[in-house]
Amino acid sequence: NAGVMQNPRHLVRRRGQEARLRCSPMKGHSHVYWYRQLPEEGLKFMVYLQKENIIDESGMPKERFSAEFPKEGPSILRIQQVVRGDSAAYFCASSPGTGYSGEQYFGPGTRLTVT
Amino acid sequence: QKEVEQNSGPLSVPEGAIASLNCTYSDRGSQSFFWYRQYSGKSPELIMSIYSNGDKEDGRFTAQLNKASQYVSLLIRDSQPSDSATYLCAVSPSRQLTFGSGTQLTVLP
Repeated sequence: NAGVMQNPRHLVRRRGQEARLRCSPMKGHSHVYWYRQLPEEGLKFMVYLQKENIIDESGMPKERFSAEFPKEGPSILRIQQVVRGDSAAYFCASSPGTGYSGEQYFGPGTRLTVT
Repeated sequence: QKEVEQNSGPLSVPEGAIASLNCTYSDRGSQSFFWYRQYSGKSPELIMSIYSNGDKEDGRFTAQLNKASQYVSLLIRDSQPSDSATYLCAVSPSRQLTFGSGTQLTVLP
């Protein structure tokens, strides 16, 4: 499967716990983007990363949220001390590093439920 | 003012008809425009991209762009029940995509 991979697909956390969402970009892609889709709302940009670099985190909440894309392994979106308002679908998208046309390809998403 | 606006719908068309979806955007610096289809509970799927004024056709889909009017549209010809989904307009003034809230389309058999 050469598509964008995300895991887990579903994640249930109790309030105050930590959530870790993983994303492996499409083969040949080196740029990763995280988006959040709250219930009954549109997709909102959170963060854009290249390997070992956060390029744009203008959409990330200032507290409790962090993202990384290490040299080896998947990109990780980390949410500390989750609250019910964090319940949403989190999508990762990827694009190539060179010859970027604006097209981004989305993974299946992680649906986070905070109880 | 929302950066990307779409009619939320729902939009219902009979099978075989043309479905017309519209989108306006506020950032005149935007250069890239996309339509994504999202089935309920699934992830967005890229169906069309357009970068210059005019029409771009791909199968039953035609995207239209008018930068002067800051307007993008998507036409779906010969609509099928399988086209029933939410259609998201996305604009890219930079590396991040800005999405509209989506138009829910239902194609009635």
